[in-house]
Amino acid sequence: DAKTTQPNSMESNEEEPVHLPCNHSTISGTDYIHWYRQLPSQGPEYVIHGLTSNVNNRMASLAIAEDRKSSTLILHRATLRDAAVYYCILRDDFRFDAGGTSYGKLTFGQGTILTVHP
Amino acid sequence: DSGVTQTPKHLITATGQRVTLRCSPRSGDLSVYWYQQSLDQGLQFLIQYYNGEERAKGNILERFSAQQFPDLHSELNLSSLELGDSALYFCASSVAGTGGNEKLFFGSGTQLSVL
Repeated sequence: DAKTTQPNSMESNEEEPVHLPCNHSTISGTDYIHWYRQLPSQGPEYVIHGLTSNVNNRMASLAIAEDRKSSTLILHRATLRDAAVYYCILRDDFRFDAGGTSYGKLTFGQGTILTVHP
Repeated sequence: DSGVTQTPKHLITATGQRVTLRCSPRSGDLSVYWYQQSLDQGLQFLIQYYNGEERAKGNILERFSAQQFPDLHSELNLSSLELGDSALYFCASSVAGTGGNEKLFFGSGTQLSVL
């Protein structure tokens, strides 16, 4: 299984940008890079994902290195509600049937604990 | 609200007992995943079902079993419970689309306490 490496924790101030790094040097050509976050006492929540190109959505941006061995989740203006554990995950263990349906699971690591200061 | 419903939210039971956790996936989602989260192990994948069939198995103990019913809801059965089984159990669902584009949607979990 391809692995990811993230810092254990990071801190930010409210309304400042946050850049959360992730290393995945053993990524394969078909692995998508996914980010999920888990707020206190809640289930994980999808944030963003991408394959090769940078991606933007209403929650965040994902910057993927040209060699795809690392990526960065960018929160443009952190709020107190963004305090959570952020997980960088590579999809793995895919199998496909004739219809092209995938059965891959998400394998969570330890993630990065993001603290946002007022 | 993710659209994934888990019941009950809290469950307190004794060692040796058996419990059933229930999950209703988002409307239209065919795949259901079960995860266990404990303080020392983090989020651990247990098992996945797709349209009623088991598709992937993780670190699931033999005392645990699961199934997905024709209406696509899923149940996780935990038997001969031990103190170490105390954890948050999450269910997730996905459409089961193609490739790595698939997003998972998680429920709010069932907190199991074994006393």
